[in-house]
Amino acid sequence: DQQVKQNSPSLSVQEGRISILNCDYTNSMFDYFLWYKKYPAEGPTFLISISSIKDKNEDGRFTVFLNKSAKHLSLHIVPSQPGDSAVYFCAASGRNNNDMRFGAGTRLTVKP
Amino acid sequence: DGGITQSPKYLFRKEGQNVTLSCEQNLNHDAMYWYRQDPGQGLRLIYYSQIVNDFQKGDIAEGYSVSREKKESFPLTVTSAQKNPTAFYLCASTGTGDVNEQFFGPGTRLTVL
Repeated sequence: DQQVKQNSPSLSVQEGRISILNCDYTNSMFDYFLWYKKYPAEGPTFLISISSIKDKNEDGRFTVFLNKSAKHLSLHIVPSQPGDSAVYFCAASGRNNNDMRFGAGTRLTVKP
Repeated sequence: DGGITQSPKYLFRKEGQNVTLSCEQNLNHDAMYWYRQDPGQGLRLIYYSQIVNDFQKGDIAEGYSVSREKKESFPLTVTSAQKNPTAFYLCASTGTGDVNEQFFGPGTRLTVL
């Protein structure tokens, strides 16, 4: 039962353009959402998070939007850079880390 | 430098053998986790431990065992009872309190021959 879904396995964008990665979830009890970035042969690293009391959180070139009514969140990267090329995982959690659920990931390729 | 180490990076096992994956952290984190990643799927929780000498089953614990004798260490044993052990295994840790981002190790790729 996949409670967190990333329906696009891959995304390709041109350098300087916006990258939009999407994530849907089914469990309305989730109230904390995170994005992780993973390079090949490395573990995921935390990128940005948002709690359910907010609808937007921004950190430099990265912005996460949360639409609770649609159970949807998205990660915007602008402008995209070749170094952003990686697999991005969406994760969602209830009140504690033991409930965290991960999506399958989206492979982003930013072309120079 | 604080972080999580996993060893070995690649591991090959014959069918019927048990194998232990190492995970060590020097972040002074209380909680540690083991995940499994298969192609096209998200990370799935195998076991977690919130404190020394205590651990709990995750979603896919069958065929696995863990121990938590020290705060820094959380080894995972893949037993012969695990039907499909070939996968990428990730260890993570986090501080206590509210939901926190997890810090991941580089992973171990296990292949059963």
